[in-house]
Amino acid sequence: GENVEQHPSTLSVQEGDSAVIKCTYSDSASNYFPWYKQELGKGPQLIIDIRSNVGEKKDQRIAVTLNKTAKHFSLHITETQPEDSAVYFCAAKDEIKAAGNKLTFGGGTRVLVKP
Amino acid sequence: NAGVTQTPKFRILKIGQSMTLQCAQDMNHNYMYWYRQDPGMGLKLIYYSVGAGITDKGEVPNGYNVSRSTTEDFPLRLELAAPSQTSVYFCASSRTQSGELFFGEGSRLTVL
Repeated sequence: GENVEQHPSTLSVQEGDSAVIKCTYSDSASNYFPWYKQELGKGPQLIIDIRSNVGEKKDQRIAVTLNKTAKHFSLHITETQPEDSAVYFCAAKDEIKAAGNKLTFGGGTRVLVKP
Repeated sequence: NAGVTQTPKFRILKIGQSMTLQCAQDMNHNYMYWYRQDPGMGLKLIYYSVGAGITDKGEVPNGYNVSRSTTEDFPLRLELAAPSQTSVYFCASSRTQSGELFFGEGSRLTVL
């Protein structure tokens, strides 16, 4: 089955700096890659996703890049703000094969933005 | 809309006890899921359902059972609690097979 590795496990950045989180996946058939943000005491929430027919997607201060050849994808947060402090999860899925929206999640990255 | 509602938020169980984690969604989603979250391990799928009356196992189903008698409710049953089941449990739903997952706020379970 799919295996998703996420690095780093913790990331501390100064407010205003950029943060980058990287994930690698094992199943070359995976074609859907969402990112979820989990704030303290809450459930994860989708912040951005990308499918394998594009290499990059942006939404204001966040962007995701995908390298299908190398089987890795990354989340980029620019101009970080204190409200970006949270745990971020990457995930992967083969939309054709995986029934029922079964995502494989990475281990999570705890991001701390220091004011 | 309340979204996905989980109860209880916290529970302490003794080894061998049983309990049910409740999950309800008011978005009329067909797909519902139970995940467990262990530190540094991400989210592991326990069970999922593609509609009322239909359930299937995820990655880590041992020690758990589910039922889906209505579209709205998807309870998770622990029959004989073990320390290895100490975790945070999340229920989620999605409108479609490939759609966004909407998570509840989680249920923290400790088995002593």
